[in-house]
Amino acid sequence: EEYLVESGGDLVQPGRSLRLSCAASGFNFDDYAMHWVRQGPGKGLEWVSGISWRSSTVEYADSVKGRFIISRDDAKKSLHLQMHSLTPEDSALYYCAKDRGRYSTSSGFDHWGLGTLVIVSS
Amino acid sequence: AIRMAQSPSSFSASTGDRVTITCRASQGVGSYLAWYQQTPGKAPKLLIHAASTLQSGVPSRFSGSRSGTDFTLTINCLQSEDFATYYCQQYYTYPRTFGQGTKVEIK
Repeated sequence: EEYLVESGGDLVQPGRSLRLSCAASGFNFDDYAMHWVRQGPGKGLEWVSGISWRSSTVEYADSVKGRFIISRDDAKKSLHLQMHSLTPEDSALYYCAKDRGRYSTSSGFDHWGLGTLVIVSS
Repeated sequence: AIRMAQSPSSFSASTGDRVTITCRASQGVGSYLAWYQQTPGKAPKLLIHAASTLQSGVPSRFSGSRSGTDFTLTINCLQSEDFATYYCQQYYTYPRTFGQGTKVEIK
């Protein structure tokens, strides 16, 4: 069975940095694009960033472009999100999600982790 | 960015009802549309991809359809476990965008 486990969430002050990680198991991690999706308290889902298989393409939401960096380590089956210049608006539960499409095919997100909580507050 | 507008934002229904949720894209997304279900405290669950293809393991009372840039999620014979929030998402292009969600509550 496919599993995704996020980690790294914390309470941080505005302007600080944080690195989130997602450990994958149960599938050929390097065959699939991966994404980060966040959900603020009582809010809807917001796609944050995605990275293609082989890391050839990385994409970001406008709200995080220039501040967040997505990366993947296929050997370790892990996904990361380096977040800089955090603001209270970045406070959310951050989910790691697997794209259903294999290789360069895009599809819905068929597996999600339980999320890791980021709170940005002084 | 492509905007996904869901309607209604919430409504009440009874077990056994047939319910419909609509999602309209601000521009063409082909059939690159997914539907998700989220219950409180849980991660979203993929129900439908490619606008009308049921994800493996999802009950057949869920169905999806497309008409141009309008998409519909239908739940036939609503069950107690279906009371949740539903989101549409386009994956036609980046940034991927979600609808604002539709909460289905018990009447």
